[in-house]
Amino acid sequence: QKEVEQNSGPLSVPEGAIASLNCTYSDRGSQSFFWYRQYSGKSPELIMSIYSNGDKEDGRFTAQLNKASQYVSLLIRDSQPSDSATYLCAVGNYNQGGKLIFGQGTELSVKP
Amino acid sequence: GAVVSQHPSWVICKSGTSVKIECRSLDFQATTMFWYRQFPKQSLMLMATSNEGSKATYEQGVEKDKFLINHASLTLSTLTVTSAHPEDSSFYICSAALRDRVSEQYFGPGTRLTVT
Repeated sequence: QKEVEQNSGPLSVPEGAIASLNCTYSDRGSQSFFWYRQYSGKSPELIMSIYSNGDKEDGRFTAQLNKASQYVSLLIRDSQPSDSATYLCAVGNYNQGGKLIFGQGTELSVKP
Repeated sequence: GAVVSQHPSWVICKSGTSVKIECRSLDFQATTMFWYRQFPKQSLMLMATSNEGSKATYEQGVEKDKFLINHASLTLSTLTVTSAHPEDSSFYICSAALRDRVSEQYFGPGTRLTVT
């Protein structure tokens, strides 16, 4: 059973701090990695994609991938109350026809 | 870019009736679309993968005769919940993938179905 595990939440950080979200996956053949943000009652929104080892930065978001350790993370700098949401890690393997395996999500709360 | 719409956004129907949900990719062609359902406080559950012009591939445990999926064009997929029951009440979300990045999925806004 291919699995994606995220650190259990909820995670609470003060406004302006760095939020760190972690994810591990079991399928070594995975090639694509995504972070989605989901506000309560809404559908997921793609915020980061990463395909190769290392860091990828986009504004206040940085995704980090380490395929050897089967680990992917998301850092949110200067966290804002509007970042409060559930963050879903998703892992894809092209051999699976584009299907994504989702983690259970980590709820982030940014306190003003 | 990569905008996906769903219609309706919410629907209430009586037990035993059928409901159709549409999923459209507005600014790109989607060879592959996916259908998920989500219960409160739970993660997404993939129901089926829909490829344009071919039969959908259903996940284990999903009744294909109950959840009919049609992907008639590169921009439209539909999910029909047949003979709906209260336990089918859920948040149904579709996603569409770009042709050359099949795992990079963009989600529609979702359809909240309530069966009374």
